[in-house]
Amino acid sequence: SQTIHQWPATLVQPVGSPLSLECTVEGTSNPNLYWYRQAAGRGLQLLFYSVGIGQISSEVPQNLSASRPQDRQFILSSKKLLLSDSGFYLCAWTNQRLTGVTYEQYFGPGTRLTVT
Amino acid sequence: AQSVAQPEDQVNVAEGNPLTVKCTYSVSGNPYLFWYVQYPNRGLQFLLKYITGDNLVKGSYGFEAEFNKSQTSFHLKKPSALVSDSALYFCAVPDSSYKLIFGSGTRLLVRP
Repeated sequence: SQTIHQWPATLVQPVGSPLSLECTVEGTSNPNLYWYRQAAGRGLQLLFYSVGIGQISSEVPQNLSASRPQDRQFILSSKKLLLSDSGFYLCAWTNQRLTGVTYEQYFGPGTRLTVT
Repeated sequence: AQSVAQPEDQVNVAEGNPLTVKCTYSVSGNPYLFWYVQYPNRGLQFLLKYITGDNLVKGSYGFEAEFNKSQTSFHLKKPSALVSDSALYFCAVPDSSYKLIFGSGTRLLVRP
């Protein structure tokens, strides 16, 4: 079976500090990977997605960047955090070999980031 | 462009009563539709999906969803609500790039 991990679970960082959030998937190969941000416990905003190693698509220009150094690893980074970067960050994966044509996504447990 | 709408920010229901969380969609081609649930401080959990065939789709935790093509709706239902069903619910549809388009979410509150 497949599992997805995110760490850390919670993070409190000062404005201007760097950020690195990690997501790893087990039990599947060549997944599509996604980073979302959820503000105030409501809507989801897609930040980045990746269809393969080194392939990153950005959905929203902002203070964040993403990288995929390995097939099942997805990293969200920032050089200097802003207050507005606070939120709940979710990683997700999908794989057509498992889902067929529907591409439903499966989510990690999330990282709660508070920028102070 | 694909889209989904959840017209209710919050739904309140008493424990033991039936519940409905509404979702309408606008898609081109065959619709694939999903429901997810999110408990506090957790990631989203996949509940069920509609591909084709039976209009009533059964999913996890006793939930089901009814696909209605004429009303372009995909409402989530459960015959008897539990307090533990209180959570945030999202409907979603994939776009042509295999990204998911989510609704704004509906908070379900089940009163004891």
